Amino acid sequence: GIQVEQSPPDLILQEGANSTLRCNFSDSVNNLQWFHQNPWGQLINLFYIPSGTKQNGRLSATTVATERYSLLYISSSQTTDSGVYFCAVGQAGTALIFGKGTTLSVSS
Amino acid sequence: DSGVTQTPKHLITATGQRVTLRCSPRSGDLSVYWYQQSLDQGLQFLIHYYNGEERAKGNILERFSAQQFPDLHSELNLSSLELGDSALYFCASSAYLGTEAFFGQGTRLTVV
Repeated sequence: GIQVEQSPPDLILQEGANSTLRCNFSDSVNNLQWFHQNPWGQLINLFYIPSGTKQNGRLSATTVATERYSLLYISSSQTTDSGVYFCAVGQAGTALIFGKGTTLSVSS
Repeated sequence: DSGVTQTPKHLITATGQRVTLRCSPRSGDLSVYWYQQSLDQGLQFLIHYYNGEERAKGNILERFSAQQFPDLHSELNLSSLELGDSALYFCASSAYLGTEAFFGQGTRLTVV
């Protein structure tokens, strides 16, 4: 099956710093989503981005489908950005397959 | 609020018991997915239903079963529970196949 690798596994930042999270996948996909799992365990949708670039406030994402990777950019990080960021991919109507996530800790 | 509702939020039960987790998808969504999140295994896909029909199985144990009802809500049944079944169980829904999926708040199951 398709493999999803996320890097880095852990990231520690000071408030105000910028960061880039990466997601590599092993095969072509029709669906790619980024999620934030907050400390209470909720999985929050950030982006649905099988290709192209999107922005939402301080967050933006880019997926280069032909090269099988996606990037999530977080600018001016805040303590509330802490948590685990997951990339998940799907093929032709299949369920999402998740990477192991990047754990982000932002300190004030 | 994602619009996906899971009940109960927390469940504590003994080994050997059986429990049922319930999921109400977002209004109009035809696809329902179940996932298990444990500390050592990450987020694992269990099973997918589309418009009442089983669509795909992932890493679902034989002790676990699920169904999707005509009103599109779904239930995940876990039986002969073991300590290792303790995990956060998520339900997700999407409008059609391959469209954006939204997750419920999860059911935290503790087997003692």
